[in-house]
Amino acid sequence: GEDVEQSLFLSVREGDSSVINCTYTDSSSTYLYWYKQEPGAGLQLLTYIFSNMDMKQDQRLTVLLNKKDKHLSLRIADTQTGDSAIYFCAEGKLIFGSGTRLLVRP
Amino acid sequence: DTGVSQDPRHKITKRGQNVTFRCDPISEHNRLYWYRQTLGQGPEFLTYFQNEAQLEKSRLLSDRFSAERPKGSFSTLEIQRTEQGDSAMYLCASSRSGQGNLIEFFGPGTRLTVL
Repeated sequence: GEDVEQSLFLSVREGDSSVINCTYTDSSSTYLYWYKQEPGAGLQLLTYIFSNMDMKQDQRLTVLLNKKDKHLSLRIADTQTGDSAIYFCAEGKLIFGSGTRLLVRP
Repeated sequence: DTGVSQDPRHKITKRGQNVTFRCDPISEHNRLYWYRQTLGQGPEFLTYFQNEAQLEKSRLLSDRFSAERPKGSFSTLEIQRTEQGDSAMYLCASSRSGQGNLIEFFGPGTRLTVL
């Protein structure tokens, strides 16, 4: 069945780049997504990429898609303490991964 | 329109009771989705509607769960004979068809606690 996997935890220093990785199984998805969830807050769509694209850049965010390996990554440049949150990768009708908790150390 | 709204925001109930949650999507959105999120996990897809038609249901949606969207606008999710394992955050989202499945807007969720 459909499945999305992510690493559980990432810790970086403020100002460094963060890279969060995700693998998925459903190759028919039109979109692949990254959502952000802060403690006590709702899910926020951070960015998304069409399945026919390899890369999308949006300010500090870069999404890379490797369709052959079914691998999606999110790079956050110049990571700030306000970026500390859980980041979810999702595909299709939103099959979510378990989330990667990003901790940004001052 | 202020976005997707859900009511109530919190619900505490005793095991065996029935509960009903409501979701009001963004007004021009014809697709509506329900998800469930437990602590430490990503949201799990439950079901979705296009207009009033329920097009897909997850196997997670046991026969104690029922969802409706009678006029293609708001939706309700009912859980009968609640169990402690039903304790979770129930999330609603909406989107427009014609955008693939681009789902941008989630509601704040209803947190259910079953005692």
